[in-house]
Amino acid sequence: GAGVSQSPRYKVAKRGQDVALRCDPISGHVSLFWYQQALGQGPEFLTYFQNEAQLDKSGLPSDRFFAERPEGSVSTLKIQRTQQEDSAVYLCASSLGLAGTDTQYFGPGTRLTVL
Amino acid sequence: DAKTTQPNSMESNEEEPVHLPCNHSTISGTDYIHWYRQLPSQGPEYVIHGLTSNVNNRMASLAIAEDRKSSTLILHRATLRDAAVYYCILRTSGTYKYIFGTGTRLKVLA
Repeated sequence: GAGVSQSPRYKVAKRGQDVALRCDPISGHVSLFWYQQALGQGPEFLTYFQNEAQLDKSGLPSDRFFAERPEGSVSTLKIQRTQQEDSAVYLCASSLGLAGTDTQYFGPGTRLTVL
Repeated sequence: DAKTTQPNSMESNEEEPVHLPCNHSTISGTDYIHWYRQLPSQGPEYVIHGLTSNVNNRMASLAIAEDRKSSTLILHRATLRDAAVYYCILRTSGTYKYIFGTGTRLKVLA
């Protein structure tokens, strides 16, 4: 497909488990973003990659959250020792340009539920 | 970051035009006005954006007030597939962050 894909679409974790969420951006897109969307709220910025470099991680809520994009394509958002407040939809977006100022194209998201 | 204000919800009849308002009284000269929409169980989808002049594309039109303190997204003929949450977002030129609000939930009645 031509769009951003994310997997899994749904993830249920027990409190304290580690989870890994995957994002496949549009081929050739340099910039990649992660957002967190709580129920009934708009998405909130977590982090930004330009190729493999993580240029902004100001939105990550705690040091339990870690993101990587080692080869400048696929990205993984990892959450360690999950807590109930981590339950949310995690959205990935990509854009073509270097500065990330182009239109962002979003994936369908991963819904994480922490029990 | 400049903020936007939108009504929480709106209703429209199918095949009628819809005008979705957005107030952004603290907008700066380098802020672009972006609109995204989010259909149920999907990620946000780009709709349109503009700076000063009105803009048209295949999905919608964007009307920007002369003082730029407000804008209106216009769907010319609403369909059931347009039922979504519509977000009005300001993004400063040269920056990459979108700051989403809570948006307007549009309900389209058959």
